[in-house]
Amino acid sequence: RKEVEQDPGPFNVPEGATVAFNCTYSNSASQSFFWYRQDCRKEPKLLMSVYSSGNEDGRFTAQLNRASQYISLLIRDSKLSDSATYLCVVTRTGSARQLTFGSGTQLTVLP
Amino acid sequence: GAGVSQSPSNKVTEKGKDVELRCDPISGHTALYWYRQRLGQGLEFLIYFQGNSAPDKSGLPSDRFSAERTGESVSTLTIQRTQQEDSAVYLCASSDTWAQNTEAFFGQGTRLTVV
Repeated sequence: RKEVEQDPGPFNVPEGATVAFNCTYSNSASQSFFWYRQDCRKEPKLLMSVYSSGNEDGRFTAQLNRASQYISLLIRDSKLSDSATYLCVVTRTGSARQLTFGSGTQLTVLP
Repeated sequence: GAGVSQSPSNKVTEKGKDVELRCDPISGHTALYWYRQRLGQGLEFLIYFQGNSAPDKSGLPSDRFSAERTGESVSTLTIQRTQQEDSAVYLCASSDTWAQNTEAFFGQGTRLTVV
């Protein structure tokens, strides 16, 4: 089983739609959580960190459920420019701090 | 520099040759990561440096792969006797500290093609 699992998609949604991505992680020692965005043939960039209390940044809402080891990203009123691959990332501290990436969920927002 | 810099941006090499990929992290970033991304695939962890030490080399796919970091700065990833399956984009990232919720910044990658 992969340490971080995501639905690969693709998700094809019309402009203005609300779309949600899910991510599960297997290592209960995971401590930090992020969503990154990767545009085609570009490097990943941080979209937002994910906190236990949940957090919102404009049209984007991230939530963490530690009991279920589950992270989500909600995009409201999707724009054409939201088309990208969204990567779930977890870290664990200790002797080796490692960012572990999910395989990503591909989103295409259609006009 | 302003961001993570990787060189070369593109490399075409013949099967069996050695290649060296370079990463210049953001100045002062203690943590440095190497990832590999094959076409249409997710990011595959290769190795992580804290300072000049590599506490986690678990992702290196074979003994043909090695990496080092000097001066808590530049890192080089060396692939010996390259194979066609080594073709991928090699991404380097750096981050500031051990602290939680510290963002990792990526370079634009080196696209390696083994022919």
